[in-house]
Parts: sequence; C-alpha cells; structure tokens
Amino acid sequence: RKEVEQDPGPFNVPEGATVAFNCTYSNSASQSFFWYRQDCRKEPKLLMSVYSSGNEDGRFTAQLNRASQYISLLIRDSKLSDSATYLCVVNMRGSQFYFGTGTSLTVIP
Amino acid sequence: NAGVTQTPKFQVLKTGQSMTLQCAQDMNHNSMYWYRQDPGMGLRLIYYSASEGTTDKGEVPNGYNVSRLNKREFSLRLESAAPSQTSVYFCASSDSSSGANVLTFGAGSRLTVL
Repeated sequence: RKEVEQDPGPFNVPEGATVAFNCTYSNSASQSFFWYRQDCRKEPKLLMSVYSSGNEDGRFTAQLNRASQYISLLIRDSKLSDSATYLCVVNMRGSQFYFGTGTSLTVIP
Repeated sequence: NAGVTQTPKFQVLKTGQSMTLQCAQDMNHNSMYWYRQDPGMGLRLIYYSASEGTTDKGEVPNGYNVSRLNKREFSLRLESAAPSQTSVYFCASSDSSSGANVLTFGAGSRLTVL
C-alpha cells in the first residue's frame, strides 16, 4: 500500500468552476501535510501547508481530517493559470517525506 | 536568496559514462534530498542526508552514490549511466529540526542516457 494516494485525474474544468482534490495517507503518525503545485517541466513549489484547523489562502482552502487520514484542497473560481499538477505531500517526521503521484488539473476557457 | 541551485540543467550521456549532479542550498537547511521523477511514477527518493555527515538510501538508490560535502552541498553521482536512469532529477532541502519542515526544490536536471 502506498503511503500517500491521490486521484491522478485528469480534472478538466471550465474557468470559474470550483474543484476539489483529495489525498489519503496511510500512517496515522504523520505530522505535517502540504500541497505542492508543479507546472509542466518545472520543480514542485509549495502551494500551502495544511493545518488541523483548516486554512485558506485566497481562492485555495486546505483541510485535514486526521481521523479519516485524508487531506483536501479546494480551488474556487478556477483560473487558466491554475492549470498544473497538484502534489499531496506528507511528512512523517524529520526527513521522511512521502508524495502522492499528483493530480492533473486543466482549466478550460 | 537563491534557494536550491542544481547543475547541470541538461545533460546527455552515453551508456557507461559517469557524471555528477551538483546541488547547493543557501537556506542553512540541515536535510538534503535527491529525487527522480518519471512519467506516471511521481517523485521517488534516491538518497537523502538528514544532516551533515550522514547519508541514507531512499526508495531507488541502485546505480547512484551521493556525497554530503558540507552543510550546503549534496552531490549525486552516476558511476556507469544506464538508459533506465534517463529522468528528471530534483534536489531538495528542508529544515527538519524546525517546526516549519518544508521541502524546497531546485529547478531540476534533465538527464538523457543513450
């Protein structure tokens, strides 16, 4: 079983739509959670950390459900520039990071 | 603040040739990592260094060696390149001793082995 699993998509949504991605993790001892964004042929970049109480950054909302061991990312009012692959990343402790394979999003005009 | 810098950005090798990918970070991070990314496979950890003076194998270490030269630099060496090592390689660093343990990636090195 993979440590982190996410739906690879692709998600194709029209501009202005709301889209949600989910990610599940297998180890209940996981400590920190992140969403990264990766554009084609570029490096992953931190989109946002995910906190237990949930957190929001503009059009992006991240949620953590420790009981069910999943994290989510909600994107409201999708823009063309949101087209990318979104990676779910879990930190067990110290140097132990685990990645989902990524969810591909294409926002269509 | 440059963050994580890796070189070269592109490299073409013939089977059996050797090369070293260089990585340096200027954020005073204690941990450094080498990943490879292949289509449909996601990021896979090759080696990591939790702190200066230590290195450990990741998920796919075969065919690679690493050196943590100092706190800033972590190099990845391919002793005898094989076509299966054609990939995009990312170096990353993090401050695993702090509460803000976030991975920062370099821009990537695209390696083709013919």
